[in-house]
Amino acid sequence: DIQMTQSPSSVSASVGDRVTFTCRASQDISTLLAWYLQKPGKAPKLLIYDASSLQSGVPSRFSGSGSGTDFTLTISSLQPEDFATYFCLQAKTFPITFGQGTRLEI
Amino acid sequence: EVQLLESGGGLIQPGGSLRLSCAVSGFIFYNYAMDWVRQVPDKGLEWVSSISASGASTYYVDSVKGRFTISRDNSKNTLYLQMNSLRAEDTAIYYCARDIRRPSGNYGWFDPWGQGTLVTVSS
Repeated sequence: DIQMTQSPSSVSASVGDRVTFTCRASQDISTLLAWYLQKPGKAPKLLIYDASSLQSGVPSRFSGSGSGTDFTLTISSLQPEDFATYFCLQAKTFPITFGQGTRLEI
Repeated sequence: EVQLLESGGGLIQPGGSLRLSCAVSGFIFYNYAMDWVRQVPDKGLEWVSSISASGASTYYVDSVKGRFTISRDNSKNTLYLQMNSLRAEDTAIYYCARDIRRPSGNYGWFDPWGQGTLVTVSS
């Protein structure tokens, strides 16, 4: 199985900050990576797919990059609604696997 | 508006069975693959199963193979997950999700998700 490792596990930031999260795959997954945001008590929401494609309706302050094994999600200017947990996912092979998540705290 | 509504969760004893349903609306169901993902409350996400748009192809995480069966009724716009021989480690919130990855035959872009249904396996 492909292991997905996210770092950091948690990060504190302020409104207006620029933040970057990292996701590393245990083997080459090309660009078959997605990022999801989850708020407490809610279902996850797709932000980015194919490593860098912004899902319809997602604000442009979110961006993704990377290929192979190393990927990043960047939020250019944090908004209050962005404080949540972020998960990466690899879709290269079954089983589809998620990272353990990065919690973004105020 | 695209909506997915899960039902069928609850408290079940180890070794028991449950069938989860996911009723969808707002999109052409038979055009999309569908997925089940679970999450132990306040923990990480685990992909459970996927099914092709036609229902002809199914995929499972190893831990549920032989115990869980994913299926769909395209005439009823409903996705199912039959769960047998349930174990304590199956306790989780189960989400259904539409798979928007293209071309067909590929999986992993889950959007949107339902609100989830809680399955608790305990004696």
